Amino acid sequence: EADIYQTPRYLVIGTGKKITLECSQTMGHDKMYWYQQDPGMELHLIHYSYGVNSTEKGDLSSESTVSRIRTEHFPLTLESARPSHTSQYLCASSTFSGNTIYFGEGSWLTVV
Amino acid sequence: KNEVEQSPQNLTAQEGEFITINCSYSVGISALHWLQQHPGGGIVSLFMLSSGKKKHGRLIATINIQEKHSSLHITASHPRDSAVYICAVRSYNTDKLIFGTGTRLQVFP
Repeated sequence: EADIYQTPRYLVIGTGKKITLECSQTMGHDKMYWYQQDPGMELHLIHYSYGVNSTEKGDLSSESTVSRIRTEHFPLTLESARPSHTSQYLCASSTFSGNTIYFGEGSWLTVV
Repeated sequence: KNEVEQSPQNLTAQEGEFITINCSYSVGISALHWLQQHPGGGIVSLFMLSSGKKKHGRLIATINIQEKHSSLHITASHPRDSAVYICAVRSYNTDKLIFGTGTRLQVFP
C-alpha cells in the first residue's frame, strides 16, 4: 500500500481564485513529481523535485508553482485559476533510483 | 510520432480470455514501467522492467531491449481487470518518465 496522499480529491473553484493542491508521502522519498492529465490523454510532467529546496519545471509548461520545504510535502499552487487549468493533477514519489514509483489518487480540478 | 506507442488503444474481452497489450518506444531507456489506472484516476505500478520477464499473479510483463518493445499479458481475465493500462519508459538521457496514452481494457462477465 502506497503512503502518498493528495487533497483535495475533487475541487470546483471560480476563475481568479488561488488554489493549493496538497501532496504528502511518508516513505521518505527524495524524488517527487507533479503530473497533469487530461481525460483520455497521457500524463505530462509539470514539476519535479529531487530533494528539499530543489524544484524544477517539467516538460509541460504550467502556470503553477511548487515548493519543497520538507521531504514529505510537495504542494502545488495556482495563484489565479483559469478554465484552462481544468484537469487532473497527479502527485508521485519514487525511490532515488526511480525504479519504484508511487502515485497519489489524483486531484480533479474544475475552474468555472 | 509519440516516443511511446501503445496498442491497441481500446480492448474489449470476455471474462477468461488471454489479453496482450503492446508497447513500443523509440528512445534509449533505463527502465520500463507498466501502470494500471482505474476510473477515478489513481495509478498503481504493476511492473518495472529493465530486461527479461516478470510475473505477478495473472499478470506477465516482458521486454525486448533490442527491439524496443514490451508486452503486458493478462491470463484468465476478470471484470476487475477493467482499467487503463499505461506503459511508461524512463529516458536514459533525461531520467524522466515518458508515458504512452494508455490502453483502455473492458472485461465483460
